[in-house]
Amino acid sequence: RKEVEQDPGPFNVPEGATVAFNCTYSNSASQSFFWYRQDCRKEPKLLMSVYSSGNEDGRFTAQLNRASQYISLLIRDSKLSDSATYLCVVNTGEYGGSQGNLIFGKGTKLSVKP
Amino acid sequence: DADVTQTPRNRITKTGKRIMLECSQTKGHDRMYWYRQDPGLGLRLIYYSFDVKDINKGEISDGYSVSRQAQAKFSLSLESAIPNQTALYFCATSAGQGSFFYGYTFGSGTRLTVV
Repeated sequence: RKEVEQDPGPFNVPEGATVAFNCTYSNSASQSFFWYRQDCRKEPKLLMSVYSSGNEDGRFTAQLNRASQYISLLIRDSKLSDSATYLCVVNTGEYGGSQGNLIFGKGTKLSVKP
Repeated sequence: DADVTQTPRNRITKTGKRIMLECSQTKGHDRMYWYRQDPGLGLRLIYYSFDVKDINKGEISDGYSVSRQAQAKFSLSLESAIPNQTALYFCATSAGQGSFFYGYTFGSGTRLTVV
Protein backbone atom coordinates (compact mmCIF):
# COMPACT_ATOMS: atom_id res chain seq x y z
CA ARG A 1 0.00 0.00 0.00
CA LYS A 2 1.37 3.41 -0.94
CA GLU A 3 2.05 5.81 1.89
CA VAL A 4 -0.35 8.47 0.67
CA GLU A 5 -2.95 7.71 -1.95
CA GLN A 6 -5.24 10.03 -3.84
CA ASP A 7 -7.61 9.69 -6.74
CA PRO A 8 -5.74 11.46 -9.57
CA GLY A 9 -8.96 12.70 -11.16
CA PRO A 10 -9.50 14.84 -13.08
CA PHE A 11 -12.57 16.11 -11.34
CA ASN A 12 -14.46 18.28 -13.82
CA VAL A 13 -17.10 20.38 -12.10
CA PRO A 14 -19.19 23.44 -13.00
CA GLU A 15 -18.74 26.73 -11.23
CA GLY A 16 -20.63 26.83 -7.98
CA ALA A 17 -20.45 23.10 -7.41
CA THR A 18 -19.29 21.43 -4.23
CA VAL A 19 -16.47 18.94 -4.68
CA ALA A 20 -14.72 16.66 -2.23
CA PHE A 21 -11.38 14.90 -2.37
CA ASN A 22 -10.29 12.05 -0.17
CA CYS A 23 -6.84 10.82 0.66
CA THR A 24 -5.71 7.76 2.57
CA TYR A 25 -2.45 7.25 4.40
CA SER A 26 -0.79 4.05 5.51
CA ASN A 27 1.27 5.05 8.53
CA SER A 28 -0.93 5.05 11.61
CA ALA A 29 1.76 6.99 13.48
CA SER A 30 1.32 10.00 11.21
CA GLN A 31 1.08 13.13 13.26
CA SER A 32 0.23 16.10 11.10
CA PHE A 33 -1.56 16.58 7.82
CA PHE A 34 -1.84 19.21 5.15
CA TRP A 35 -3.45 20.06 1.85
CA TYR A 36 -1.30 21.81 -0.72
CA ARG A 37 -2.41 23.42 -3.94
CA GLN A 38 -0.28 23.29 -7.07
CA ASP A 39 -0.99 25.22 -10.22
CA CYS A 40 0.37 23.93 -13.50
CA ARG A 41 4.16 24.17 -13.59
CA LYS A 42 4.22 26.13 -10.36
CA GLU A 43 5.42 25.25 -6.90
CA PRO A 44 3.14 23.60 -4.35
CA LYS A 45 1.70 26.05 -1.85
CA LEU A 46 0.20 25.29 1.51
CA LEU A 47 -3.58 25.51 1.35
CA MET A 48 -4.40 24.45 4.87
CA SER A 49 -3.35 22.26 7.73
CA VAL A 50 -5.72 19.54 8.86
CA TYR A 51 -6.60 19.31 12.51
CA SER A 52 -8.18 16.41 14.35
CA SER A 53 -11.35 18.30 14.99
CA GLY A 54 -11.67 19.40 11.39
CA ASN A 55 -11.15 22.93 10.27
CA GLU A 56 -12.61 25.41 7.85
CA ASP A 57 -11.15 28.30 5.93
CA GLY A 58 -13.74 30.13 3.91
CA ARG A 59 -15.04 27.78 1.24
CA PHE A 60 -12.57 25.06 2.19
CA THR A 61 -13.13 22.43 4.86
CA ALA A 62 -10.59 19.80 5.85
CA GLN A 63 -11.33 16.77 7.97
CA LEU A 64 -9.24 14.01 9.46
CA ASN A 65 -10.39 10.52 10.37
CA ARG A 66 -7.57 8.85 12.27
CA ALA A 67 -9.43 5.58 12.79
CA SER A 68 -9.87 5.08 9.05
CA GLN A 69 -6.65 6.90 8.16
CA TYR A 70 -8.11 9.29 5.68
CA ILE A 71 -8.18 13.01 5.12
CA SER A 72 -10.72 14.94 3.13
CA LEU A 73 -10.95 18.35 1.51
CA LEU A 74 -14.30 19.90 0.66
CA ILE A 75 -14.57 22.90 -1.62
CA ARG A 76 -17.89 24.70 -1.70
CA ASP A 77 -19.08 27.13 -4.36
CA SER A 78 -16.22 26.26 -6.72
CA LYS A 79 -14.58 29.09 -8.62
CA LEU A 80 -12.72 28.96 -11.90
CA SER A 81 -9.62 29.96 -9.93
CA ASP A 82 -9.87 26.78 -7.86
CA SER A 83 -8.69 24.80 -10.89
CA ALA A 84 -5.43 23.23 -9.79
CA THR A 85 -3.95 20.01 -8.45
CA TYR A 86 -4.51 19.36 -4.76
CA LEU A 87 -1.82 17.44 -2.91
CA CYS A 88 -2.51 15.49 0.25
CA VAL A 89 0.52 15.64 2.56
CA VAL A 90 1.33 13.68 5.70
CA ASN A 91 4.04 14.19 8.31
CA THR A 92 4.99 10.88 9.90
CA GLY A 93 7.43 12.34 12.38
CA GLU A 94 6.74 13.24 15.94
CA TYR A 95 6.80 16.78 17.15
CA GLY A 96 10.28 17.47 18.48
CA GLY A 97 11.69 14.40 16.81
CA SER A 98 14.70 14.36 14.54
CA GLN A 99 12.78 13.08 11.56
CA GLY A 100 9.46 14.16 10.22
CA ASN A 101 9.76 14.54 6.48
CA LEU A 102 6.56 15.20 4.62
CA ILE A 103 5.11 12.51 2.39
CA PHE A 104 3.27 13.88 -0.64
CA GLY A 105 0.44 12.25 -2.49
CA LYS A 106 0.51 12.48 -6.27
CA GLY A 107 -2.36 14.91 -6.30
CA THR A 108 -5.93 15.21 -7.47
CA LYS A 109 -6.58 17.43 -10.44
CA LEU A 110 -9.58 19.74 -10.30
CA SER A 111 -10.95 21.57 -13.30
CA VAL A 112 -13.77 24.04 -12.70
CA LYS A 113 -15.71 24.92 -15.84
CA PRO A 114 -17.86 27.98 -16.53
CA ASP B 1 12.25 38.90 -2.94
CA ALA B 2 11.12 35.32 -2.68
CA ASP B 3 11.77 33.45 0.56
CA VAL B 4 13.19 30.48 -1.35
CA THR B 5 15.01 31.28 -4.58
CA GLN B 6 16.03 28.76 -7.18
CA THR B 7 18.38 29.40 -10.06
CA PRO B 8 18.22 28.95 -12.95
CA ARG B 9 14.48 28.97 -13.65
CA ASN B 10 14.91 27.09 -16.90
CA ARG B 11 17.86 25.22 -18.32
CA ILE B 12 18.50 23.14 -21.39
CA THR B 13 21.65 21.07 -21.29
CA LYS B 14 23.24 18.30 -23.29
CA THR B 15 23.66 14.70 -22.25
CA GLY B 16 26.87 14.18 -20.31
CA LYS B 17 27.22 17.75 -19.12
CA ARG B 18 27.58 18.66 -15.47
CA ILE B 19 24.96 21.02 -14.18
CA MET B 20 24.29 22.63 -10.82
CA LEU B 21 20.95 23.87 -9.57
CA GLU B 22 21.10 26.35 -6.74
CA CYS B 23 18.75 27.15 -3.91
CA SER B 24 18.97 29.91 -1.35
CA GLN B 25 16.56 30.89 1.38
CA THR B 26 15.98 33.87 3.61
CA LYS B 27 13.61 32.16 6.02
CA GLY B 28 16.31 31.09 8.45
CA HIS B 29 15.13 27.49 8.20
CA ASP B 30 17.55 24.74 9.11
CA ARG B 31 16.07 22.01 6.91
CA MET B 32 16.33 21.99 3.14
CA TYR B 33 15.17 19.53 0.51
CA TRP B 34 15.46 18.78 -3.18
CA TYR B 35 12.57 17.18 -5.07
CA ARG B 36 11.92 16.34 -8.67
CA GLN B 37 8.47 16.20 -10.18
CA ASP B 38 7.49 14.25 -13.25
CA PRO B 39 3.99 14.00 -14.74
CA GLY B 40 2.07 11.19 -13.08
CA LEU B 41 4.81 10.48 -10.54
CA GLY B 42 4.32 13.31 -8.12
CA LEU B 43 7.08 14.78 -5.99
CA ARG B 44 10.02 12.52 -5.30
CA LEU B 45 12.65 13.32 -2.72
CA ILE B 46 16.24 13.40 -4.00
CA TYR B 47 18.24 14.64 -1.00
CA TYR B 48 17.59 16.45 2.23
CA SER B 49 19.66 18.22 4.85
CA PHE B 50 18.70 18.97 8.44
CA ASP B 51 21.67 21.27 8.99
CA VAL B 52 24.95 22.23 7.38
CA LYS B 53 26.72 19.05 8.49
CA ASP B 54 23.86 16.72 7.75
CA ILE B 55 23.12 15.32 4.28
CA ASN B 56 20.74 12.44 3.62
CA LYS B 57 19.72 10.54 0.53
CA GLY B 58 16.11 10.49 -0.49
CA GLU B 59 14.32 7.89 -2.56
CA ILE B 60 15.96 8.76 -5.90
CA SER B 61 19.49 10.02 -5.19
CA ASP B 62 21.32 8.03 -7.89
CA GLY B 63 22.87 10.36 -10.44
CA TYR B 64 22.65 13.37 -8.13
CA SER B 65 24.82 14.96 -5.47
CA VAL B 66 24.29 17.89 -3.15
CA SER B 67 26.23 20.47 -1.22
CA ARG B 68 25.05 22.45 1.79
CA GLN B 69 27.38 25.40 1.61
CA ALA B 70 25.69 27.33 4.39
CA GLN B 71 22.47 27.24 6.32
CA ALA B 72 20.86 29.28 3.58
CA LYS B 73 22.26 27.48 0.53
CA PHE B 74 21.69 23.99 -0.80
CA SER B 75 22.87 23.03 -4.28
CA LEU B 76 21.96 20.03 -6.40
CA SER B 77 24.38 18.71 -9.01
CA LEU B 78 23.92 16.36 -11.90
CA GLU B 79 27.43 15.10 -12.57
CA SER B 80 26.65 13.73 -16.00
CA ALA B 81 23.16 14.67 -17.11
CA ILE B 82 21.00 12.13 -18.92
CA PRO B 83 17.67 12.64 -20.71
CA ASN B 84 15.59 10.90 -18.04
CA GLN B 85 16.67 13.59 -15.60
CA THR B 86 14.50 15.99 -17.56
CA ALA B 87 12.02 17.18 -14.93
CA LEU B 88 10.82 20.04 -12.79
CA TYR B 89 13.05 20.41 -9.73
CA PHE B 90 11.95 22.02 -6.50
CA CYS B 91 13.87 23.12 -3.47
CA ALA B 92 11.98 23.33 -0.19
CA THR B 93 12.71 24.43 3.36
CA SER B 94 11.26 23.88 6.78
CA ALA B 95 12.06 25.01 10.28
CA GLY B 96 12.68 21.68 11.94
CA GLN B 97 9.77 21.23 14.22
CA GLY B 98 7.98 23.80 12.13
CA SER B 99 7.37 21.21 9.46
CA PHE B 100 5.09 19.53 11.96
CA PHE B 101 2.82 22.56 12.00
CA TYR B 102 3.57 24.53 8.88
CA GLY B 103 4.80 22.11 6.26
CA TYR B 104 7.38 23.20 3.72
CA THR B 105 8.01 26.36 1.74
CA PHE B 106 8.92 25.68 -1.87
CA GLY B 107 10.98 27.60 -4.36
CA SER B 108 9.41 28.32 -7.72
CA GLY B 109 11.22 25.49 -9.41
CA THR B 110 13.82 24.83 -12.09
CA ARG B 111 12.67 23.32 -15.35
CA LEU B 112 15.54 21.19 -16.62
CA THR B 113 15.66 19.64 -20.06
CA VAL B 114 18.45 17.25 -20.99
CA VAL B 115 18.80 16.71 -24.74
